[in-house]
Amino acid sequence: GAVVSQHPSRVICKSGTSVKIECRSLDFQATTMFWYRQFPKQSLMLMATSNEGSKATYEQGVEKDKFLINHASLTLSTLTVTSAHPEDSSFYICSAETGLGNTEAFFGQGTRLTVV
Amino acid sequence: GENVEQHPSTLSVQEGDSAVIKCTYSDSASNYFPWYKQELGKRPQLIIDIRSNVGEKKDQRIAVTLNKTAKHFSLHITETQPEDSAVYFCAAYTFTSYDKVIFGPGTSLSVIP
Repeated sequence: GAVVSQHPSRVICKSGTSVKIECRSLDFQATTMFWYRQFPKQSLMLMATSNEGSKATYEQGVEKDKFLINHASLTLSTLTVTSAHPEDSSFYICSAETGLGNTEAFFGQGTRLTVV
Repeated sequence: GENVEQHPSTLSVQEGDSAVIKCTYSDSASNYFPWYKQELGKRPQLIIDIRSNVGEKKDQRIAVTLNKTAKHFSLHITETQPEDSAVYFCAAYTFTSYDKVIFGPGTSLSVIP
C-alpha cells in the first residue's frame, strides 16, 4: 500500500510554545488529508479535512486558530498546535487519500505530543 | 450530528472461535465503510472495507456485511488467533462535495489462547 510519513513521532514542548507536525505522502499524491486526535483507549476524533490548495474544513468544536492546517502541496500537510497547553497533549494522526476513485485512507504513524 | 456507534466495546473470545463487531451509522449519505485494526501505539491498519453498492465482502478469515436500509455494518472474524488481539475501529465515510469521516468508538478484542 501507499506510504504516509508523519513527523515527529514524539515531541515534548513547553506550555505556550507552538509545535508543527508534518504529514507526507511518499509515493502518491494526496488530494485530501485528514487530521485526527486520539486520546488513550479512545477512538480517532476527526479534527479537520484539508484539500490541497484550499482552506481546511474544521469539525465542530475544533479551534481553527489554535490548530493551523496547511496543505500546500499534494504531498504535504502540516498541523501546527499554537500556544500549546497541557490539555493539548494527545496522539495526533494524519491520513491521506489519493482521491482517484480509491477511497482507502493511508495513515501516518502518529505524533505523541506532550505539553509540560 | 452524524454518529457512528460500535458494539461491543470489549470482546473476549477463545482462540478458534468467531468474533463479530457491529456498527451503526446515522448519515444516510455515507457510502464507504472501512474497518481498521490498531495495535497499541501504532497507526490504524485497514483490514477490510465495503462500499455502499455491495452487501458483503470477504477476505480469508475476515468478512464485512452492510445493510444500507438499516444503516449498520458488521465485521466478522473467523478462526480467531491471538495475533488478532487489538482494537478495531469501524468508520463511515461520506464522499460528496467534501469528504467527511466518522470513526466508531472502537472494540478491544482479546483472543485467549
